[in-house]
Amino acid sequence: EAQVTQNPRYLITVTGKKLTVTCSQNMNHEYMSWYRQDPGLGLRQIYYSMNVEVTDKGDVPEGYKVSRKEKRNFPLILESPSPNQTSLYFCASSLGGYGSGANVLTFGAGSRLTVL
Amino acid sequence: GDSVTQMEGPVTLSEEAFLTINCTYTATGYPSLFWYVQYPGEGLQLLLKATKADDKGSNKGFEATYRKETTSFHLEKGSVQVSDSAVYFCALSVWTYKYIFGTGTRLKVLA
Repeated sequence: EAQVTQNPRYLITVTGKKLTVTCSQNMNHEYMSWYRQDPGLGLRQIYYSMNVEVTDKGDVPEGYKVSRKEKRNFPLILESPSPNQTSLYFCASSLGGYGSGANVLTFGAGSRLTVL
Repeated sequence: GDSVTQMEGPVTLSEEAFLTINCTYTATGYPSLFWYVQYPGEGLQLLLKATKADDKGSNKGFEATYRKETTSFHLEKGSVQVSDSAVYFCALSVWTYKYIFGTGTRLKVLA
């Protein structure tokens, strides 16, 4: 089944304790991205990656890091989490390029993070 | 900058009622427009899309028309069902890497 898999789905942590949210896709997609969803703000893009070793900032990158060492994986790293990073996080992927369907996103199920 | 504005929710309707969720956008260039739906506890999934002016996207009885003159992409359905209860997001993509989402509109359909 074509899918984007995120882990963990739920996490409670404390301020300053480094954590990583993993994201993996099995569709050979070029493009991957991370979003956070907050009430009243919708989804905001954190980082995106056009291909392996190519990453760039979205609209709210502060406090986050990413890496794209393999095509299928795009982990989100919080080096020193703070309470304002408490949110629902989504990873998504798409074919990329310019053909039909190139920019249709497939989303993971989400990771709910609470930072105390 | 690029932005998407959609109507505030929640929207509560009776089964078989007509649905409209308004969405307007501002964008440089020629965006593709999308509606995504999020069911409880799940990620977003594509509902429909349109890639150029006057295109109509449709799926599962939902429709939206890309109106360049009014910069709008309103979502409509003629007869909603309880199973349509979800959060609906309007979104645009100007380039294949840049996405802007609206704040989401929660729809609740009562039997």
